[in-house]
Amino acid sequence: NAGVTQTPKFQVLKTGQSMTLQCAQDMNHNSMYWYRQDPGMGLRLIYYSASEGTTDKGEVPNGYNVSRLNKREFSLRLESAAPSQTSVYFCASSAGNQPQHFGDGTRLSIL
Amino acid sequence: AQSVTQLGSHVSVSEGALVLLRCNYSSSVPPYLFWYVQYPNQGLQLLLKYTSAATLVKGINGFEAEFKKSETSFHLTKPSAHMSDAAEYFCAVSDQWSGGSNYKLTFGKGTLLTVNP
Repeated sequence: NAGVTQTPKFQVLKTGQSMTLQCAQDMNHNSMYWYRQDPGMGLRLIYYSASEGTTDKGEVPNGYNVSRLNKREFSLRLESAAPSQTSVYFCASSAGNQPQHFGDGTRLSIL
Repeated sequence: AQSVTQLGSHVSVSEGALVLLRCNYSSSVPPYLFWYVQYPNQGLQLLLKYTSAATLVKGINGFEAEFKKSETSFHLTKPSAHMSDAAEYFCAVSDQWSGGSNYKLTFGKGTLLTVNP
């Protein structure tokens, strides 16, 4: 029972490089979310997708883009990475008003 | 906009002692409330949820929380702490956007629970 799968688990980038974080869920959930977690800040919503084909900005969208590729997959892209984007990124999914299920996170360091 | 305040970024208890983690929320509509737990280097796991049914909610691992509308609180308790309870705990409130049936979450900043032998 995989749930929410995130890849990669760890990544180190140089400033200015780009990369895409991948997320896939196998629970047939309509909604998917991307959060970042920083020490003492809790989790902050970057982008979300209520359903396939729709995406919306969350609390901290600057510097990121997303793609809801299909119902299962929701990717997060950093076009030009900055040190301020060093963080742990979590993907989550949910169905209706049911609780969100989280992946294990991607630990991203930008030098 | 909704918000969550977790009082105490770090709580330390002895094994066998009462655990009390505080959460206060702000919401203009009846909220859905959640407690999640995060163990080191892992994602978040749901402990329990309040969705306007019983005000006392029981969750996994012996945890429970009581919704008090008059105090806008949703504190998490466990009668007797175990070493395995050491983790970070997050309170969250849902935000239903207009016309939809999906719910964004606003998280508190978390409370790190340490359990001393």
